[in-house]
Amino acid sequence: NAGVMQNPRHLVRRRGQEARLRCSPMKGHSHVYWYRQLPEEGLKFMVYLQKENIIDESGMPKERFSAEFPKEGPSILRIQQVVRGDSAAYFCASSPKGLAGEQYFGPGTRLTVT
Amino acid sequence: AQSVTQLGSHVSVSEGALVLLRCNYSSSVPPYLFWYVQYPNQGLQLLLKYTSAATLVKGINGFEAEFKKSETSFHLTKPSAHMSDAAEYFCVLFSGGYNKLIFGAGTRLAVHP
Repeated sequence: NAGVMQNPRHLVRRRGQEARLRCSPMKGHSHVYWYRQLPEEGLKFMVYLQKENIIDESGMPKERFSAEFPKEGPSILRIQQVVRGDSAAYFCASSPKGLAGEQYFGPGTRLTVT
Repeated sequence: AQSVTQLGSHVSVSEGALVLLRCNYSSSVPPYLFWYVQYPNQGLQLLLKYTSAATLVKGINGFEAEFKKSETSFHLTKPSAHMSDAAEYFCVLFSGGYNKLIFGAGTRLAVHP
């Protein structure tokens, strides 16, 4: 059973471009979470999704950031018009239904904005 | 409000010495608590978890943690450090409702010969 997959592992974007980060949850997991880790800081919750639904987006910046988890395919975190402050590691986690707090993390995508 | 505080952003120990990483939490409901480890440029790996059963929790790689409600603490220990233990360690609180994990700022452990 493959773990949580994220791609790309490293992404370089110039200011103003768009960044798309992908996350494939573990097989059988229908809950996906995105976290951001700024340098020298812990992870901060961004958004929680189930298939075709955003359940909690309280940690998402109000502008430029969006997330989706379609019926088919991976979850996507999209950042429009990136700025230098978006440079961070973005981690995806997944969990099976009903296992409170049991989240499995992917290896992360390291976004660098130049 | 629920929060996690890790005391000491950097801890350095000698190989073979005791490892003690401190974590205090604040929660209005009985907490679930976790320790995760992050090796350089990698994702997070679950070390151990407390889910209201035994207060002394044993994890992987010889680590253990003790939940102390009276002190609102969940410190991580290992009797004898190994060079391979060098990593960043996060204390994490589970917030009920929507499965939100609340992370401490992390403690970077260095192990020197």
